[in-house]
Amino acid sequence: EDQVTQSPEALRLQEGESSSLNCSYTVSGLRGLFWYRQDPGKGPEFLFTLYSAGEEKEKERLKATLTKKESFLHITAPKPEDSATYLCAVHAGNMLTFGGGTRLMVKP
Amino acid sequence: EPEVTQTPSHQVTQMGQEVILRCVPISNHLYFYWYRQILGQKVEFLVSFYNNEISEKSEIFDDQFSVERPDGSNFTLKIRSTKLEDSAMYFCASTAQGQAYGYTFGSGTRLTVV
Repeated sequence: EDQVTQSPEALRLQEGESSSLNCSYTVSGLRGLFWYRQDPGKGPEFLFTLYSAGEEKEKERLKATLTKKESFLHITAPKPEDSATYLCAVHAGNMLTFGGGTRLMVKP
Repeated sequence: EPEVTQTPSHQVTQMGQEVILRCVPISNHLYFYWYRQILGQKVEFLVSFYNNEISEKSEIFDDQFSVERPDGSNFTLKIRSTKLEDSAMYFCASTAQGQAYGYTFGSGTRLTVV
């Protein structure tokens, strides 16, 4: 059974304080690992897809990396508007399996 | 930017009633999905739909659930006899084969069964 575990569950940062979110996974036949941002009461918003170990992708203050067992979402100098829940999901078969998410709060 | 549109945004229904949740996927997408998220829990896969038939479904998607693409644009999820535990956010998603930028999710329908 595919499993995705995210840590920490919640993270409080001061504005400008960089940190990393972790997503560890076990899956058969990984077709891709996705990162999404979810704001309260909204649907997941696509951020990145990673396909193979060693791959990295960046978007503004966010950088996602992938190994054979885990992925990291690095947030550099976050701003209050980066506050959201960040979801990791693995794509195997014809579905996404999501982790529980990391709720990020960035204080000014 | 193309969007997946879901209606209604919020639905309250009596236990035992039938509900239909509606979605308009992105027009050139070929694969359609329903996911749900019970408050405070993970987003869970329900069903995938391709070429006018179900391609995969989870254990959650039992005989009370059905999906349909009644025309070229709409994609619906029907729950025949709602239970209290069906209360959740239901998300529709779509993707085009081979796209690298992932599934596009709608904003969801919050279903409350009372």
